[in-house]
Amino acid sequence: DAGVIQSPRHEVTEMGQEVTLRCKPISGHNSLFWYRQTMMRGLELLIYFNNNVPIDDSGMPEDRFSAKMPNASFSTLKIQPSEPRDSAVYFCASSQGGKGQPQHFGDGTRLSIL
Amino acid sequence: AQTVTQSQPEMSVQEAETVTLSCTYDTSESDYYLFWYKQPPSRQMILVIRQEAYKQQNATENRFSVNFQKAAKSFSLKISDSQLGDAAMYFCAYNTGANSKLTFGKGITLSVRP
Repeated sequence: DAGVIQSPRHEVTEMGQEVTLRCKPISGHNSLFWYRQTMMRGLELLIYFNNNVPIDDSGMPEDRFSAKMPNASFSTLKIQPSEPRDSAVYFCASSQGGKGQPQHFGDGTRLSIL
Repeated sequence: AQTVTQSQPEMSVQEAETVTLSCTYDTSESDYYLFWYKQPPSRQMILVIRQEAYKQQNATENRFSVNFQKAAKSFSLKISDSQLGDAAMYFCAYNTGANSKLTFGKGITLSVRP
């Protein structure tokens, strides 16, 4: 079975550019999570969706970040305009939802903003 | 608020030996779930083991087992017969509530000496 699929795997761009990260959750999973991982701050939850609806976006750092989930099989995380401090690894994870269900992670996108 | 503490930033173990990674958490909930995730240098986040708080029996997955002490709010991971491939960062995580949102510890880096 296919796991969580993220694209691109690596992204290098100049500051001020728009960045779009993509995620395809595991089929049948109805919860989707976006994380950011840095050496300084560790693993941070940015936002999560339940049945395509954003439930908690309190981790989104600022208005430059936005996330959408137009259907059950696709989500995007967008940064506009990007800044060097946004450089990090961004993970998408999905789960079947409900208490105690494990999250399954994608391979992450390594984002470098020059 | 729930917190997860991994107080040891690094540990080292000799190949074929046993190592225990510590994790404590703080919660007022009685029904919750605990997880250990492994992140090797390839940066994938891999689920290692899951424990339900209402179960007294410690979870076991092959060479991985947990020592769950509910009263002490402790959830340590024991790796037996350590292998070179066990070298990774290990994250302890906690889940409660009506969804599968996780609270992660800061992680511990495990190195395995040949």
